[in-house]
Amino acid sequence: AQSVTQLGSHVSVSEGALVLLRCNYSSSVPPYLFWYVQYPNQGLQLLLKYTTGATLVKGINGFEAEFKKSETSFHLTKPSAHMSDAAEYFCAVSRQRDDKIIFGKGTRLHILP
Amino acid sequence: KAGVTQTPRYLIKTRGQQVTLSCSPISGHRSVSWYQQTPGQGLQFLFEYFSETQRNKGNFPGRFSGRQFSNSRSEMNVSTLELGDSALYLCASKLGHNEQFFGPGTRLTVL
Repeated sequence: AQSVTQLGSHVSVSEGALVLLRCNYSSSVPPYLFWYVQYPNQGLQLLLKYTTGATLVKGINGFEAEFKKSETSFHLTKPSAHMSDAAEYFCAVSRQRDDKIIFGKGTRLHILP
Repeated sequence: KAGVTQTPRYLIKTRGQQVTLSCSPISGHRSVSWYQQTPGQGLQFLFEYFSETQRNKGNFPGRFSGRQFSNSRSEMNVSTLELGDSALYLCASKLGHNEQFFGPGTRLTVL
């Protein structure tokens, strides 16, 4: 069975500081991995995804994530936080491209002025 | 191109009632998935429909059901509502194997 663990339900960073949101997954087969963002009263928007190939994945809004198979991790980073980054972020995994997507519990990112 | 639309956006029901939620996917998208989002359980996959057939199913009781029409619009139904069914229900559509696009959700409150 697949699962996703996001460390920290709430993370606070200062504007301009590094953003690091942690995600570890469990999968019996090579996973497809995703990061989504949800702004208040909205649906989810895909930030980036890893399927195969390059392990460093660049997404929208300056975010990137690195797939580390040995650590079963897919942490999300952004060099410099902006106030508009305040939202809830979800890490997700699926076994293959048509399989159901399993989401983590989410991490709410707070940006301090 | 219009995004995924869900109706209604807000709904209040009482225990024991049933409810039907609607999702209109992006034009041309044939896959529609449904998710339940709650503060305690997070986002949980309900089911996915593709070309009017259920392709994947999550671990929800039989009170939760869905269907998809020939125009790819989908409905989900919850019968005999319980307090614990209060949640944000999200619908997502995709084209082929590409990313899912989510609608804004229907917030269901069960009293």
